[in-house]
Amino acid sequence: EDQVTQSPEALRLQEGESSSLNCSYTVSGLRGLFWYRQDPGKGPEFLFTLYSAGEEKEKERLKATLTKKESFLHITAPKPEDSATYLCAVRLMNRGSNYKLTFGKGTLLTVNP
Amino acid sequence: NAGVTQTPKFQVLKTGQSMTLQCAQDMNHEYMSWYRQDPGMGLRLIHYSVGAGITDQGEVPNGYNVSRSTTEDFPLRLLSAAPSQTSVYFCASSPGDRVRTGELFFGEGSRLTVL
Repeated sequence: EDQVTQSPEALRLQEGESSSLNCSYTVSGLRGLFWYRQDPGKGPEFLFTLYSAGEEKEKERLKATLTKKESFLHITAPKPEDSATYLCAVRLMNRGSNYKLTFGKGTLLTVNP
Repeated sequence: NAGVTQTPKFQVLKTGQSMTLQCAQDMNHEYMSWYRQDPGMGLRLIHYSVGAGITDQGEVPNGYNVSRSTTEDFPLRLLSAAPSQTSVYFCASSPGDRVRTGELFFGEGSRLTVL
């Protein structure tokens, strides 16, 4: 069964303490891996798309990377406003539709001042 | 900019009741979809539409109906609510040429409780 696993489930950092979130997938035929940010009581907000191993994308303090089996979301010198749940999703080649995404359960990031 | 608007934000139903969750977007997006989010689980796709008059099932379609008569609106209907449908529901849209990039625009969610 195709799976998307995010780790850790929760992460507490001090402001300025860099770290990484992980998204691993046991799927074949990856057609894209996507990162979203979700604030409490809000809908997810799109961050990045990655298509192939070695690809990297950056936005402010966030950098997403992709290997053949996992993706990392690196957070450099985080600030309290980076606190949110970060979701990972994949789109697969053979799921009957180009429009179906499989989401992980998310990582709850808390950045303390 | 309104973006994706969902109503109601909160709803409590009794088992067997019916209701419709509304979703409207003002961005002229061809693609619209409904997801549910449950504790300890990832977002799961219920139904989606790639344009007016075109809908298809997602991962968990049972118990839900949809229709797409206009580009702007994509309502989700629960014909006979069950406690298992207690969840937070999100509507998402995307331009037709960007949906494959995963660039979805989500509404703020509708929290449904079925007693």
